[in-house]
Amino acid sequence: KAGVTQTPRYLIKTRGQQVTLSCSPISGHRSVSWYQQTPGQGLQFLFEYFSETQRNKGNFPGRFSGRQFSNSRSEMNVSTLELGDSALYLCASSVGGQAHHEQYFGPGTRLTVT
Amino acid sequence: QKEVEQDPGPLSVPEGAIVSLNCTYSNSAFQYFMWYRQYSRKGPELLMYTYSSGNKEDGRFTAQVDKSSKYISLFIRDSQPSDSATYLCAMSRGVTGGGNKLTFGTGTQLKVEL
Repeated sequence: KAGVTQTPRYLIKTRGQQVTLSCSPISGHRSVSWYQQTPGQGLQFLFEYFSETQRNKGNFPGRFSGRQFSNSRSEMNVSTLELGDSALYLCASSVGGQAHHEQYFGPGTRLTVT
Repeated sequence: QKEVEQDPGPLSVPEGAIVSLNCTYSNSAFQYFMWYRQYSRKGPELLMYTYSSGNKEDGRFTAQVDKSSKYISLFIRDSQPSDSATYLCAMSRGVTGGGNKLTFGTGTQLKVEL
């Protein structure tokens, strides 16, 4: 079974621009969560989608948004990029429900904001 | 104060040693406890999870949870150079308590030397 895939793997953007990251979960998984990983803060939860609905949201500004499609694929958007948004953005998928804790991560998208 | 505390290391041990990795937490609502391994430039890989207190063994890995002390551990027996990675603990409240949101420690960097 194929794992979680994320595209693109690397991205360089300029401050003020916006960016869209994509995540394809493991086949059969309906829940997709997004995390931001930085050296200073570690892994921080952004939001979770289940069956196209945002079910959970972390403490990030409204510039960070996401959506999920009917095939469970998810996108994350960051508008008006700031230098501090430079990070590894990780997507994790799970079956959902009682198996929520078994989350499988993709390789991440490395975003650099200049 | 962070909800989950983890010593960042680095921790250096000789091949064959028993490794002990630990996390403490402050939120008594956490019910699920996970350990992830992350190699450089890769996404985190789920090693094992435990529900509530107790021990769980999987090959060379043993996870322990002591909810009364809010303390969890991961033991690695007969450590190998291939175990060199960053180990992250993660916790969640369960489906009814917060869905898929995982709260991570900052990770402990482990190096197993020949």
